[in-house]
Amino acid sequence: AQSVAQPEDQVNVAEGNPLTVKCTYSVSGNPYLFWYVQYPNRGLQFLLKYITGDNLVKGSYGFEAEFNKSQTSFHLKKPSALVSDSALYFCAVRDNTGGFKTIFGAGTRLFVKA
Amino acid sequence: EAQVTQNPRYLITVTGKKLTVTCSQNMNHEYMSWYRQDPGLGLRQIYYSMNVEVTDKGDVPEGYKVSRKEKRNFPLILESPSPNQTSLYFCASSLRGGDNNEQFFGPGTRLTVL
Repeated sequence: AQSVAQPEDQVNVAEGNPLTVKCTYSVSGNPYLFWYVQYPNRGLQFLLKYITGDNLVKGSYGFEAEFNKSQTSFHLKKPSALVSDSALYFCAVRDNTGGFKTIFGAGTRLFVKA
Repeated sequence: EAQVTQNPRYLITVTGKKLTVTCSQNMNHEYMSWYRQDPGLGLRQIYYSMNVEVTDKGDVPEGYKVSRKEKRNFPLILESPSPNQTSLYFCASSLRGGDNNEQFFGPGTRLTVL
C-alpha cells in the first residue's frame, strides 16, 4: 500500500536561512511525487512534482525538491527562506498505474521568522 | 479564469439531514476528486472519478456518495451526516496523465455537523 510520511509537524527557520521540509514515501513501482502548499484559509496550491528524469526538481517560488530513490525520500528545499513562505506544506504520492488514487502526508507547518 | 469552484463554502447542519456539496471545474479535466482535511491527518481521499460515470473509492468513502454525470461537475453527497463528518472538504481536478497531472484545488467547504 502507498504511504507518505512527513516526520516533522513543524519546522522553524530564520529568514534568509535555507529550509528543508522532509518527506518519505512507500510505493510499489515508480512514484509520482508532489508538493503542495496551503496558505491560511486557502486551498492547496501546487509547488512541484517528480514524474521521471532529473532527481532535482525545481518549482514555484524558488522551491526545489530532491528525489532519492534509495532513501525513498522527496525533501522540499529552498536556499533562502522568506517570511511569506510560512504555510502548511503537504507531500503527496499518486498512483502511477493509470489511476488517480492519491495519498497525502499529514503536513508540515513552516514558520519563517524575520 | 481556470478554476475549481465549490459551494457552499461554509455549512452548519444537523445529524441526519441530507446535504450536497457541489464542485465544478472549467478546465476540461478528466480526473476529479474529493478530500477531507482534519488536523494532524492531512488530506484523505474520499472518492475520485477518472471520467464521466467512472468513480472509485478513496481511503475514507464511508458515509459519502458521489456522481459524475457531466465532465465538469462532481458533487459530494452526505445522505445522513454525522458529527464525525465535521471537517474541511476540498474538491480537486487534474488532467489525465502525461506531464500535466498536478491537481488544482477548490477553495474548500467547511462543514459542521451538530
